[in-house]
Amino acid sequence: NAGVTQTPKFQVLKTGQSMTLQCAQDMNHEYMSWYRQDPGMGLRLIHYSVGAGITDQGEVPNGYNVSRSTTEDFPLRLLSAAPSQTSVYFCASSYRGGTLHFGNGTRLTVT
Amino acid sequence: GESVGLHLPTLSVQEGDNSIINCAYSNSASDYFIWYKQESGKGPQFIIDIRSNMDKRQGQRVTVLLNKTVKHLSLQIAATQPGDSAVYFCAETDYGGSQGNLIFGKGTKLSVKP
Repeated sequence: NAGVTQTPKFQVLKTGQSMTLQCAQDMNHEYMSWYRQDPGMGLRLIHYSVGAGITDQGEVPNGYNVSRSTTEDFPLRLLSAAPSQTSVYFCASSYRGGTLHFGNGTRLTVT
Repeated sequence: GESVGLHLPTLSVQEGDNSIINCAYSNSASDYFIWYKQESGKGPQFIIDIRSNMDKRQGQRVTVLLNKTVKHLSLQIAATQPGDSAVYFCAETDYGGSQGNLIFGKGTKLSVKP
């Protein structure tokens, strides 16, 4: 039982490049979400999903896309990276109304 | 406690002392509150939670207190150990309106001196 797995752990992008941050969970959780963490800002919700085929925007969705084709996977796409997207990204999952389980994060730098 | 500034508030305690970390939450409709611990290089880990129909809940060495009148939450850690050194976040949610989305506070860094 691996919990929530995020890949890659580290990534450096140039401005304008695109990439996908991967997130997978093996706990059959309906709910999955993506947060970004910046110094002094806590964790802010980017996008979330309450089940396969359903996604919605969080507090800071601009510049990011998500999809949820399976219960297990919830990738986060940056279509055209910007320096303002330099951050640590966390994926989390839970049963509806349950405790959020977090992955160990992806540290992204955009130059 | 929580801060809107760029620098995390820091609490420094001696090993063996009790620690109290405070949090002011924002939404009076929030009905579920959680404390998370985040160690360097890792994701947040659940510590303890409390629902709005309670004002106190105890776990192993940790106690959460909720004061809905002043929208204040605190985490008490008994006999603090070096392994408790981490950043602690409170989080709130209103399950009826937010589908379980958590709103996190900005965190408090706990440093334990041996």
